[in-house]
Amino acid sequence: DAGITQSPRYKITETGRQVTLMCHQTWSHSYMFWYRQDLGHGLRLIYYSAAADITDKGEVPDGYVVSRSKTENFPLTLESATRSQTSVYFCASRRDRTLEQYFGPGTRLTVT
Amino acid sequence: KQEVTQIPAALSVPEGENLVLNCSFTDSAIYNLQWFRQDPGKGLTSLLLIQSSQREQTSGRLNASLDKSSGRSTLYIAASQPGDSATYLCAVNGNQFYFGTGTSLTVIP
Repeated sequence: DAGITQSPRYKITETGRQVTLMCHQTWSHSYMFWYRQDLGHGLRLIYYSAAADITDKGEVPDGYVVSRSKTENFPLTLESATRSQTSVYFCASRRDRTLEQYFGPGTRLTVT
Repeated sequence: KQEVTQIPAALSVPEGENLVLNCSFTDSAIYNLQWFRQDPGKGLTSLLLIQSSQREQTSGRLNASLDKSSGRSTLYIAASQPGDSATYLCAVNGNQFYFGTGTSLTVIP
């Protein structure tokens, strides 16, 4: 089905481990985004990408790495997970003409 | 940096009532403003998108307005239903998307 998907939906990992969250969209939207959602902070932008091989930092990029080798995929890697990275992570893509954003279902990450 | 505020943080109304949710932002240099709905434990569903050149958008019982000069948007929900219970988020699209912290709406049957 067309849309934006994320995997895994739930993940528990230990402090110091590397974790990669996957995001895939079928619309061929140019822009893709990663957000984290925390109580009291709302949604905050981690990284975004304007096209394949073009990425840029958002509001809270520290501790995260992204890549975008293909238009449809935008993985987010936590190189050495910390407890403060426990959060719900949302991937989004943006329609090129109208700039409307569409969100994936989210990944709930717990770092113990 | 863009600051987006949503008031009230929580709202409880009886079924059938009309209601207004508010969103204010500090930087009027925006491309558009988007309203979302989020159900508990779920992702965000787009409700309405208002381009910076527009004043309002309507979809069914929902009407969103935008006053860029004053940095305000409202989401009007007519004849509320229990199924409207959710958190409503506004997002302002300038150089980046900035989100408010949302209004949690409960519609009481």
